[in-house]
Amino acid sequence: GAVVSQHPSWVICKSGTSVKIECRSLDFQATTMFWYRQFPKQSLMLMATSNEGSKATYEQGVEKDKFLINHASLTLSTLTVTSAHPEDSSFYICSARDPGSHEQYFGPGTRLTVT
Amino acid sequence: KNQVEQSPQSLIILEGKNCTLQCNYTVSPFSNLRWYKQDTGRGPVSLTIMTFSENTKSNGRYTATLDADTKQSSLHITASQLSDSASYICVPHTGFQKLVFGTGTRLLVSP
Repeated sequence: GAVVSQHPSWVICKSGTSVKIECRSLDFQATTMFWYRQFPKQSLMLMATSNEGSKATYEQGVEKDKFLINHASLTLSTLTVTSAHPEDSSFYICSARDPGSHEQYFGPGTRLTVT
Repeated sequence: KNQVEQSPQSLIILEGKNCTLQCNYTVSPFSNLRWYKQDTGRGPVSLTIMTFSENTKSNGRYTATLDADTKQSSLHITASQLSDSASYICVPHTGFQKLVFGTGTRLLVSP
């Protein structure tokens, strides 16, 4: 199957700082990528849909000014958590949609811990 | 409202045994249903994808069934292995871009 990577795989940051997470589709061009958040023992919750070259579409309750999404190329989307707080500590997972198969492939996730 | 219910919430089985996980959904319109395996601290990995016209699909020791009329699906794992310990997530797809995730079944295969 197609490969989607995320970087970093884990990050620890201090409260009030910003953290950027990268999501890359390695062997296909993804016009659409998705960002999810998953708290322990809970299901994946969609945060936003990222479309290449346009503004992201955020789900209800997700602050667009806090979770900045940039999809500047067909293989890269970034999620920046601004002014991070301990409650932002979570597992962030991206997925990329292959326009040919319409299948979504998930990245390995990024564990964010805000101290 | 699109909803997905999976049962059991958690399950412990002995290595080598079989098990069946259940999924009931109310997603509409319905395009296809996917089962994912998610290891702890990892992203989901697709196991099977079934359209509304498919009743069963296998992937190695994993066999998924689908009844689109009753909106039920199951995932059967044969001859379980320790590496099968993970969360199994049922995802019915509307055909639009968003995926609706169930809460998953946490499976522990014990030696």
